[in-house]
Amino acid sequence: SQQGEEDPQALSIQEGENATMNCSYKTSINNLQWYRQNSGRGLVHLILIRSNEREKHSGRLRVTLDTSKKSSSLLITASRAADTASYFCATDDKLIFGTGTRLQVFP
Amino acid sequence: KAGVTQTPRYLIKTRGQQVTLSCSPISGHRSVSWYQQTPGQGLQFLFEYFSETQRNKGNFPGRFSGRQFSNSRSEMNVSTLELGDSALYLCASTPRGVTGRTGELFFGEGSRLTVL
Repeated sequence: SQQGEEDPQALSIQEGENATMNCSYKTSINNLQWYRQNSGRGLVHLILIRSNEREKHSGRLRVTLDTSKKSSSLLITASRAADTASYFCATDDKLIFGTGTRLQVFP
Repeated sequence: KAGVTQTPRYLIKTRGQQVTLSCSPISGHRSVSWYQQTPGQGLQFLFEYFSETQRNKGNFPGRFSGRQFSNSRSEMNVSTLELGDSALYLCASTPRGVTGRTGELFFGEGSRLTVL
């Protein structure tokens, strides 16, 4: 089974709104990463959070990590149409990815 | 610095055939990983190579194999193709040191395989 499981599977919002997606994992980790994939393309690394960090920011991205609950969340603030993509979380154990959250941002 | 290059980008094969996909990592990157992406199963880890040695392997049948050359370029091979092998095959490289710590993965654009 997948180590990282994203939730929700799909999310549709309007430009300017915030988008939150969640990731759950099963075993202990050293770090957790979030990636973005535009349709049919390769994945692009967004942010890495280490197991001893609780929150990390990068531009409009905010990632939190709760190791006690084995979960992470990715918040995209003030979303743009260009943020339309699939988002994946991945843990450091073989970098196993989930099925992703498909985000659609409407102009 | 050039990115990860995968060839071919698109290919069509028929059941029973075999296919070889190629991946050239970013210069200086010694680790190459392969993933299969399908609509139903999402992104699944196939295997990882580091310094010409397979270091990790996912849960795929023996029809899926790979190798890495001394220049870090990697190939994966799928023999006796099945319809279910139709997928986007992604390669990723990383400058992974001998400590085995996993950092950021740099992905190629993928090879889209269609099996008829």
